[in-house]
Amino acid sequence: KAGVTQTPRYLIKTRGQQVTLSCSPISGHRSVSWYQQTPGQGLQFLFEYFSETQRNKGNFPGRFSGRQFSNSRSEMNVSTLELGDSALYLCASSPGRLGEKLFFGSGTQLSVL
Amino acid sequence: SQELEQSPQSLIVQEGKNLTINCTSSKTLYGLYWYKQKYGEGLIFLMMLQKGGEEKSHEKITAKLDEKKQQSSLHITASQPSHAGIYLCGADITTAGNKLTFGGGTRVLVKP
Repeated sequence: KAGVTQTPRYLIKTRGQQVTLSCSPISGHRSVSWYQQTPGQGLQFLFEYFSETQRNKGNFPGRFSGRQFSNSRSEMNVSTLELGDSALYLCASSPGRLGEKLFFGSGTQLSVL
Repeated sequence: SQELEQSPQSLIVQEGKNLTINCTSSKTLYGLYWYKQKYGEGLIFLMMLQKGGEEKSHEKITAKLDEKKQQSSLHITASQPSHAGIYLCGADITTAGNKLTFGGGTRVLVKP
């Protein structure tokens, strides 16, 4: 089985722009979660989607949004980028039941200039 | 404040020596996960613990979850350069879906 695929791997944007990141989960997985990792704050939960519905949400501003498609692929969007949004964004997938391990992608490294 | 506290933040160990990483929560953990990360890359799953007192081993790595389900330890026996990386503990903090909170990570360097 192919693993979790995130695209693009690297991204450079300027302040004020918006960005869309993509995540393709493992085949058969219905849950996709997004995490932000920075040196200062560590790894923080953004949101989780299950069967096209947002099931859990972290404490991030409304500039961060996401969606999930019928094939379980997910996108994350950040509008009006700020310098502090520079981070490694990680996507994780799982079958969807509680207590199952998450499989992580390699991440998208976003740099905001 | 950090819901999961990891210690130490970093450690340097001589190849062949053992090492232990701790992960402590002030709340009961529904599930405790250990992951390893190479800098700037994704997380690699190591172990998952759910029952108090549970202990799991894989190759030279052993993880335990204490009886009260508020602390876990990761022990590496006879460390090798391949064990270098960042170790992260993550925990389920909700019973509704997958929402993990992570500790700050422990950076491990193995000196040959």
